[in-house]
Amino acid sequence: AQSVTQPDIHITVSEGASLELRCNYSYGATPYLFWYVQSPGQGLQLLLKYFSGDTLVQGIKGFEAEFKRSQSSFNLRKPSVHWSDAAEYFCAVGGTGGFKTIFGAGTRLFVKA
Amino acid sequence: GAVVSQHPSWVICKSGTSVKIECRSLDFQATTMFWYRQFPKQSLMLMATSNEGSKATYEQGVEKDKFLINHASLTLSTLTVTSAHPEDSSFYICSARVQGVETQYFGPGTRLLVL
Repeated sequence: AQSVTQPDIHITVSEGASLELRCNYSYGATPYLFWYVQSPGQGLQLLLKYFSGDTLVQGIKGFEAEFKRSQSSFNLRKPSVHWSDAAEYFCAVGGTGGFKTIFGAGTRLFVKA
Repeated sequence: GAVVSQHPSWVICKSGTSVKIECRSLDFQATTMFWYRQFPKQSLMLMATSNEGSKATYEQGVEKDKFLINHASLTLSTLTVTSAHPEDSSFYICSARVQGVETQYFGPGTRLLVL
């Protein structure tokens, strides 16, 4: 069965520091992978997605993610965090043929000055 | 592009009343829309999937007679919470997808409080 694990419930980083949010997935075929961000009381905004091709994916707001098939991971990174990046981040996995998109439990990012 | 709106953004109602939430794709035609429920500090729980012109497919444990979903056009889906009770209070989020494209675009959510 497909599943998504975000090991970190919350992470705190200093403004200007680098960030890596972890995501591991379980899926029987080549997955479609997504990262979404949710600000308090808001819907989800798509940061980036991986379907195929280059395993390093660039997204909006300076985020990138790398698909590593051997590790079943799709970690999100940003070289320098801004205070406005504080939010909840969700990793998701989906597929073709009507497979549902499954969301991880989320990682809350706190940014300290 | 790919903007999804929800209305209302928040609603307070009395127990026993029904509440309708609208989800609209503003600049694209959504062949499939999804309804999620999100409890505080938790992930999204898929409630149902609706395809335009078809009956919605509900997830296990979701009462279809309580959560009525209508997807009458390619740009509009509605979720009606019938005879709402306090335990139905939650954040409801819709998303929309174009056929053949796996990316979902989310609405801003509707916060429902049942007194």
